[in-house]
Amino acid sequence: DVKVTQSSRYLVKRTGEKVFLECVQDMDHENMFWYRQDPGLGLRLIYFSYDVKMKEKGDIPEGYSVSREKKERFSLILESASTNQTSMYLCASSLRIGEQYFGPGTRLTVT
Amino acid sequence: AQSVTQLDSQVPVFEEAPVELRCNYSSSVSVYLFWYVQYPNQGLQLLLKYLSGSTLVKGINGFEAEFNKSQTSFHLRKPSVHISDTAEYFCAVIKGKTSYDKVIFGPGTSLSVIP
Repeated sequence: DVKVTQSSRYLVKRTGEKVFLECVQDMDHENMFWYRQDPGLGLRLIYFSYDVKMKEKGDIPEGYSVSREKKERFSLILESASTNQTSMYLCASSLRIGEQYFGPGTRLTVT
Repeated sequence: AQSVTQLDSQVPVFEEAPVELRCNYSSSVSVYLFWYVQYPNQGLQLLLKYLSGSTLVKGINGFEAEFNKSQTSFHLRKPSVHISDTAEYFCAVIKGKTSYDKVIFGPGTSLSVIP
């Protein structure tokens, strides 16, 4: 079975802090994704990567950056956390069209 | 722009009753369609998918969905639900043929199964 792990289930940070969210997948998938999930809005794509060191902006990249130095690891960075970035963050990886495998999520609270 | 509508934000249903979760999408071209499920405190899991072929698609846990091109719908059904089906269900669409084409998710439908 594909396993996608995220470094933290819950995280509390202060406004202005730099935040790193880590995601690791163990199935050699080319593609990895970062979403944020908010009630009533579903999932919104922040960034995705289709290869090592390659990245593409999603629908809401503002305030975020990403890093993919190794195939199995995809990091989401909040350069200066703000309260409107309080959300559930989901990482996913995929090999086939639309078939994404998700991690358990990181619930981030920015105070 | 592509979009996905899930008409019901919350659906309560009694155990062993049938359920239908509705999904409509907007697109003028061929699409691929998916249903994902999110159990409490977990990530999303693929329930079923339609890429081509038969319009009736069977998935895991006894769920099925029917693709209706004329009505641009992809409703999810189960003939008899269990308590364990309580979860958030997301309809999703992708327009493209590569594995990194963007998946557009609907806002979700919360299914509550009542004992």
